[in-house]
Amino acid sequence: EVQLQESGPGLVKPSQSLSLTCSVTGYSITSNYWGWIRKFPGNKMEWMGYISYSGSTSYNPSLKSRISITRDTSKNQFFLQLNSVTTEDTATYYCARSPRRVGPDYWGQGVMVTVSS
Amino acid sequence: DIQMTQSPSLLSASVGDRVTINCKASQNINKYLNWYQQKLGEAPKLLIYNTNNLQTGIPSRFSGSGSGTDYTLTISSLQPEDFGTYFCFQHNSWPTFGAGTKLELK
Repeated sequence: EVQLQESGPGLVKPSQSLSLTCSVTGYSITSNYWGWIRKFPGNKMEWMGYISYSGSTSYNPSLKSRISITRDTSKNQFFLQLNSVTTEDTATYYCARSPRRVGPDYWGQGVMVTVSS
Repeated sequence: DIQMTQSPSLLSASVGDRVTINCKASQNINKYLNWYQQKLGEAPKLLIYNTNNLQTGIPSRFSGSGSGTDYTLTISSLQPEDFGTYFCFQHNSWPTFGAGTKLELK
C-alpha cells in the first residue's frame, strides 16, 4: 500500500525558510507525480507544486520565487522548501501522489506549520 | 486560476438521507473534477475522480456527475461513517480546490 508521511518543524520564524520532508513507502517516487498541498486556517486549500518521476518540477505561479521541490530517490523522499515565510504561510502541509489526469490519490496526514516569532 | 465555488458550506443530514454537494467552476474544466472526503486529523480520501469514476474501495453509494462548469457529488443513503468534510478539486488546468462542505449529523 502506498503511504506518505510528512515531517518537519512545526514552528518557523518569519523571514526564515520552511523545510518539509515527505517519506514514501510502498511505491517508488521515480514513477508518477508527487505534490505538495497546503490548507490554511479557514480551510482554503492551495496546490503548491509537484515533482515528476523524472525530477522535473512545476510550481504555483503565486509561489514561484519562493518555492523549491526536490527529491532523494535513494531514500524515496521528496522535499519542500519555502523561503522568506510570513505569517500567511501558516497552514497544514500535505504531500500526495498525483497521477497525471487523475489527481492526488494518496495523501499524507499533514503537518501543521506555524510561522511566528 | 479557475475558481471553484462549492455549495453548501454546511449540510445537516440524517442517516439514510440522500445528499448532494455541488461545485461550480469559473470555466469549463472538461470533467477533470475530483471529490474527496476528509475527517479531522486524517488524510484526505479520494472518492471520485474525473467526475464519475469511483476510486477503488469506495462504496457505490457515492457517485458523481456533471460536465462543463457544474458538478455534483451524491451520497445515495448516508451512513454514520460518511460524516466529515468534502471538497472538490479541478485539475483541468493549474489545480484548484473548492472551499469544502461540512456534512454533519442533523
